[in-house]
Amino acid sequence: GAVVSQHPSRVICKSGTSVKIECRSLDFQATTMFWYRQFPKQSLMLMATSNEGSKATYEQGVEKDKFLINHASLTLSTLTVTSAHPEDSSFYICSIQIKETQYFGPGTRLLVL
Amino acid sequence: KQEVTQIPAALSVPEGENLVLNCSFTDSAIYNLQWFRQDPGKGLTSLLLIQSSQREQTSGRLNASLDKSSGRSTLYIAASQPGDSATYLCAVWAINAGNMLTFGGGTRLMVKP
Repeated sequence: GAVVSQHPSRVICKSGTSVKIECRSLDFQATTMFWYRQFPKQSLMLMATSNEGSKATYEQGVEKDKFLINHASLTLSTLTVTSAHPEDSSFYICSIQIKETQYFGPGTRLLVL
Repeated sequence: KQEVTQIPAALSVPEGENLVLNCSFTDSAIYNLQWFRQDPGKGLTSLLLIQSSQREQTSGRLNASLDKSSGRSTLYIAASQPGDSATYLCAVWAINAGNMLTFGGGTRLMVKP
């Protein structure tokens, strides 16, 4: 069965609004979760590492004030895209790591009009 | 910095053919290498995980090999089927990269009936 869930699976919003994406670890306590972004026909790119109870670690070029990450519990991390713009339209995927394997959520497709 | 390259970027074959997807990486200091499958608009599905001490892993019609010293891995798909059509990604977990996976650009496979 699924190890990681994401909600919503798809969201359409107007430019300037904020969108929150949830990532849940269903059966495991995850002190660390990862957020990826994938633009069409491109590979996954790591955006940030979400750490339970502390600040997220962002990759170079990713604006921390635009992509707010909250990892409030061992089973939930949220990614909020603030003041979304059309160029933020993408496929956002979270993952957790259990031993040597990363388990990915089903992804959230964001379309900003 | 670890770099992962996949060749070819796209591949179209008739049903029934055996095929090989290639993955190369620049830093051989890795914990493991994973092959994923991604269907359009979907999250990643882990296919095979090869530890750095292993040479190959097999699952059904899939066989993945790893030559760590030369920085190469191949994914062999036997008797390809239309249902195998997807993007195949390889990713390495480098020893010096913390918990981060580094992905290749993927190979888009189309198996024609």
